[in-house]
Amino acid sequence: DVKVTQSSRYLVKRTGEKVFLECVQDMDHENMFWYRQDPGLGLRLIYFSYDVKMKEKGDIPEGYSVSREKKERFSLILESASTNQTSMYLCASRWGVGGQGQPQHFGDGTRLSIL
Amino acid sequence: KQEVTQIPAALSVPEGENLVLNCSFTDSAIYNLQWFRQDPGKGLTSLLLIQSSQREQTSGRLNASLDKSSGRSTLYIAASQPGDSATYLCAVNFSNTGKLIFGQGTTLQVKP
Repeated sequence: DVKVTQSSRYLVKRTGEKVFLECVQDMDHENMFWYRQDPGLGLRLIYFSYDVKMKEKGDIPEGYSVSREKKERFSLILESASTNQTSMYLCASRWGVGGQGQPQHFGDGTRLSIL
Repeated sequence: KQEVTQIPAALSVPEGENLVLNCSFTDSAIYNLQWFRQDPGKGLTSLLLIQSSQREQTSGRLNASLDKSSGRSTLYIAASQPGDSATYLCAVNFSNTGKLIFGQGTTLQVKP
């Protein structure tokens, strides 16, 4: 089975801090994704990566950056955390190139609170 | 704008009923469509993936259909059980990047 592991289930940080969310997958997937999920807004894509050192902006990239130095690891960085970044963050990975790929598989999520 | 809509937002049924969840999307030029289940406070579990060339996929008591021309997909759950209670999300891949556009989900409650 595919395993997508997010480093923390719950995280509390302060406004202005630099925050790192880590995601690791064990299936050699090319594609990795970061989403956030908010009540009433659903899941929205922040960034995605289709290869090592490659990244693409999603629908809401402002205030975030990402890093993919190794194929299995995709990090989401909040450069200067703000209260409006309090949310559930979900990482996903997928095998395949282009549109006709395999399913996306998700981690358990990180519930991040910015105080 | 590419959008995915799920109606109803919530559904409550007695145990044993067969039920249908609906998903509609605005652009028929899709690559694939995926159904997920999400339990409260948890991540998403992939249920079924339908490629654009397929009409349906089945897994156990679940059957998902796809009608691209009308921009619709349905998830059929047979003989529902209390353990099926969860939020069901439909997501569409409109582009060759693999990124998904999600519906808001249907929260299902199956009563014993």
